Amino acid sequence: NAGVTQTPKFQVLKTGQSMTLQCAQDMNHNSMYWYRQDPGMGLRLIYYSASEGTTDKGEVPNGYNVSRLNKREFSLRLESAAPSQTSVYFCASSGTALAGGQETQYFGPGTRLLVL
Amino acid sequence: AQRVTQPEKLLSVFKGAPVELKCNYSYSGSPELFWYVQYSRQRLQLLLRHISRESIKGFTADLNKGETSFHLKKPFAQEEDSAMYYCASRHTDKLIFGTGTRLQVFP
Repeated sequence: NAGVTQTPKFQVLKTGQSMTLQCAQDMNHNSMYWYRQDPGMGLRLIYYSASEGTTDKGEVPNGYNVSRLNKREFSLRLESAAPSQTSVYFCASSGTALAGGQETQYFGPGTRLLVL
Repeated sequence: AQRVTQPEKLLSVFKGAPVELKCNYSYSGSPELFWYVQYSRQRLQLLLRHISRESIKGFTADLNKGETSFHLKKPFAQEEDSAMYYCASRHTDKLIFGTGTRLQVFP
C-alpha cells in the first residue's frame, strides 16, 4: 500500500495564479484532511472531510477550496494564490489500520509551495 | 476552544542526556492525546498516544489531568532522535496540533 500520496512535491506560482494540490489514500479511510505547516505555527487545519461527499472548514480556510472527489481523493485548490500561502501543505487520512484498532491519522509527504 | 501548547520552540541536549518535551492542553472533558514526530524531510508519523500507555523508541508520555500536561520523556537521548515533535489533541474527528518543538541532540 502506498498510504497517502500527494502531488506535486514542489510548486512555484506567481501571485494570482491558480493550482490544485492532489491527495489520494488507499487505506479505505473515511476522513481526510488538509493542513499547512509554517515555522513557529505548527500544523493548522485548512479543510477536512469526514466522509465522501462532505467537507468542512478548519482553522484557516480562507483562500482555499476543497473537493472530495471520491473516498480515495481529496484535492485542495488555490483559486488566486497569494504570497501568504507560501507553505508546506500536508494531506492526511484517518482510520484504523487493523479491525478493532485505534484510529490513527496518516500523513502524506507534503507539497512545498512558493508563491512569488 | 481546545488548545495545545508547546512552550519550547527548540530544545538542545547532548547525546545521553535526559529529554523532556513539554505539552499542555486545554480541554474540559477526557482528552485523547498524541505525540507525532517529523524527521528531516520526512512526513509526520505517530510516535505514541496516551491511551496505549506504550514506550516507543524509548519515549514515554504520561497524561497528568491535574496539570493538564502530556510531556514527552526519554531518559537517554540519541542523535537519531533529532526531529520536530508535535503534541496533538483529538477534538471530535479532528486533531489540534501544538506549534511543535525542535529537538536537537548533539554528539
